[in-house]
Amino acid sequence: GQNIDQPTEMTATEGAIVQINCTYQTSGFNGLFWYQQHAGEAPTFLSYNVLDGLEEKGRFSSFLSRSKGYSYLLLKELQMKDSASYLCAVRLYAGNNRKLIWGLGTSLAVNP
Amino acid sequence: DGGITQSPKYLFRKEGQNVTLSCEQNLNHDAMYWYRQDPGQGLRLIYYSQIVNDFQKGDIAEGYSVSREKKESFPLTVTSAQKNPTAFYLCASSMTPGGTEAFFGQGTRLTVV
Repeated sequence: GQNIDQPTEMTATEGAIVQINCTYQTSGFNGLFWYQQHAGEAPTFLSYNVLDGLEEKGRFSSFLSRSKGYSYLLLKELQMKDSASYLCAVRLYAGNNRKLIWGLGTSLAVNP
Repeated sequence: DGGITQSPKYLFRKEGQNVTLSCEQNLNHDAMYWYRQDPGQGLRLIYYSQIVNDFQKGDIAEGYSVSREKKESFPLTVTSAQKNPTAFYLCASSMTPGGTEAFFGQGTRLTVV
């Protein structure tokens, strides 16, 4: 079956760095996405990895290792507004169809 | 500004009634999706459409119906056959099916009373 695992909750301090891990067991891997979702709001796109390595975008970076089925999202210089749920999603490719499967999300609390 | 709009944001319905959730996008995206989000669960795909006049069932299509008569619009009807309809519903679109980035609407929180 297809499976994505993320920690349920994490806590960090304002100004610090936090790493949110995502492991997946899927067939037909065709990319990995990270989204941020504030409570009661829609998810917003953060990053996309399809090749191994690190993608950096401002305070946020995302890493992928396809051989290990592993990704992480790195948040630097944490701000209070970074308190949110972070969703890992894997795109699967099968024939002409592509679909996303979603992890349950990691709820991050940033404390002053 | 381009975007994807869902309405209403909050919706209440009585048991046994059908209700339609609106989703409109002006991004010129081909693909549109409906997800359901429940506490403690990931996003679950209800229906998706890759092109006008065509749509496919997702993982939890029972009790739901959709139409895609226009590229911009992908309404979702929650029928009385849906046993547990109270949830947060999210509509999304992407330029191509399974495209590199999905844009989400603000969501509709449906409560059955």
